[in-house]
Amino acid sequence: GESVGLHLPTLSVQEGDNSIINCAYSNSASDYFIWYKQESGKGPQFIIDIRSNMDKRQGQRVTVLLNKTVKHLSLQIAATQPGDSAVYFCAENIGGGSNYKLTFGKGTLLTVNP
Amino acid sequence: NAGVTQTPKFQVLKTGQSMTLQCAQDMNHEYMSWYRQDPGMGLRLIHYSVGAGITDQGEVPNGYNVSRSTTEDFPLRLLSAAPSQTSVYFCASSKPGLLTDTQYFGPGTRLTVL
Repeated sequence: GESVGLHLPTLSVQEGDNSIINCAYSNSASDYFIWYKQESGKGPQFIIDIRSNMDKRQGQRVTVLLNKTVKHLSLQIAATQPGDSAVYFCAENIGGGSNYKLTFGKGTLLTVNP
Repeated sequence: NAGVTQTPKFQVLKTGQSMTLQCAQDMNHEYMSWYRQDPGMGLRLIHYSVGAGITDQGEVPNGYNVSRSTTEDFPLRLLSAAPSQTSVYFCASSKPGLLTDTQYFGPGTRLTVL
């Protein structure tokens, strides 16, 4: 079946460095993508989203890039801080551009070293 | 606002027992969803609802029932618990918007079926 996946299961960075977390998706019909952060013992927390008619969207210290040609999504975190340590999930929605019916990737564990 | 609340936080069941996981939101969100998260995995959609009186199946609906009699509440019922249903369950809600359909997750219910 079609699924959302991640290239790297773990990522370790130094505090202050920039982090890049990647995600591959296989369904060309996907039209809405979201990045979530999940800290230990908590529910996922929305970070940023992007629709398929865009290739870049910026938030506070985060940027999401979408490359539809190669079906690739990335999350860039600038000046990574220890509080950014968490598991990051990408999720996609197929059709409708809504977020109540999402397919999630397996997640990347980001560890920020002080 | 309390956001999305889930009860109980933890539950242990024996095989064959039934129970209801509660989910409530006070943000007047139309959309609500239930996901399960297994170790090292992303979230998988169980059931979702786009409004009171309307529910539909997600990716892994077998063994679970839902109803949506009010906008605020979206309970998930396990009719006859099985060890394969041991997981962390997350409820989420959202309100459709033009640019950002932020989905809010509850803190989760950790269920163990013996």
